[in-house]
Parts: sequence; structure tokens; C-alpha cells
Amino acid sequence: GNSVTQMEGPVTLSEEAFLTINCTYTATGYPSLFWYVQYPGEGLQLLLKATKADDKGSNKGFEATYRKETTSFHLEKGSVQVSDSAVYFCALSGGTGNQFYFGTGTSLTVIP
Amino acid sequence: DSGVTQTPKHLITATGQRVTLRCSPRSGDLSVYWYQQSLDQGLQFLIQYYNGEERAKGNILERFSAQQFPDLHSELNLSSLELGDSALYFCASSAGQGWSPLHFGNGTRLTVT
Repeated sequence: GNSVTQMEGPVTLSEEAFLTINCTYTATGYPSLFWYVQYPGEGLQLLLKATKADDKGSNKGFEATYRKETTSFHLEKGSVQVSDSAVYFCALSGGTGNQFYFGTGTSLTVIP
Repeated sequence: DSGVTQTPKHLITATGQRVTLRCSPRSGDLSVYWYQQSLDQGLQFLIQYYNGEERAKGNILERFSAQQFPDLHSELNLSSLELGDSALYFCASSAGQGWSPLHFGNGTRLTVT
């Protein structure tokens, strides 16, 4: 079946540090992959997506590359800011009916 | 703004009661999903509708039910409420295609006392 495994948190970084949050998936067929971000007190927001192998999604300095050979979609940012403090969810969609599968979320805190 | 509207934002009720949560999807989206988010359980998928029909069921309790109406808005009904039902309930919508992302509302925070 389909599933997403995400790096456990919490993660604490200093401002301007490099960020990587690991995400691997199991899927049949050709899923689409997504990263969502949830700021405190808000709903999940789409951060970036990739719909086929080797696609790179990017937004607000964040990037992730759809790697079919390693079934991974790791989230990276070169220099984090305090405002990036949030919970990040990796997700895939696939199967019949456009079903979504979410990771457990990784909490990121960036300290000045 | 995701375009998905959820009401009410907050709900406080007593054990044993019944509540209804409402969701209006983004304009043009045919598929609606309901999720429950609690501190210790993460994001749990409850149920999905597509154009009025139930499409997939997740970890939805028998005390909970949902429907999607002809105008595509959806309601989630929670009955015989227990303390453990206290959580954030999110609605999300998508166009329903394989590559279509989910767009989430800001959630309804339910507190059962």
C-alpha cells in the first residue's frame, strides 16, 4: 500500500542554518509528492509539489526533488529564518480516487 | 487564503452532545476531505467525498458521519461526544485529479468538556 515516512522531530536550528527534513515513501504506480507547512494556529498550506520523477518543487527558498530510485522527497532550505518555525508534512497522492497519505509531521524551531 | 471555508472556528460542548461542522470547498473543487488532528495522533484521515459520493473512508468512528451536498459543501456530524474527540478538525478540497494538491481550511477547534 501507500505510505510516507518522515523524519521525526522536533528539529531546532539556529537562524541561517541549513535545513533537511527527510521523507521517504512507498507507493504503487506514479504518485505525486507534496510538502505542506502548518504555522501555529493555522491549517496546512501547500509549500511545494512534484508530480513526476526528477521534478524539483520549490517555493520560498525551500526545495525538494522527486527521487524515484531512492523513493525520497527530502525538503531542503539553505538558510532558515525564525519565520520558518512550523510543522512540516510530507504527503503523497495516488491510487484510485486521488487519495492522500501524510507523514507524521516534523516540528521545526528556528532560534535567532 | 486557501479558498476553503470552515465554520465554526471554535466549538465548546459537553460530553454526549452532537455537533455539526461545515465546510465550503474552493471554487471548482469537486472533492472534499475531512481530517482530525490531535496532539498525540497527528493528522488522521476521516473521509473523502467526490461530487456528492463517498469515495474513501479512513479512521472514522461510527459516531461520526459526513455528507457532501449538491452545491458541494460538506458537513461532518459528530455525536455522543467524548472527551477524546477534542481536536482540530480540518476540511480540505481538491480538483480530484491525481496531481491536484489538497487545499486546507483553517479548521474547527472542538473542545469537549
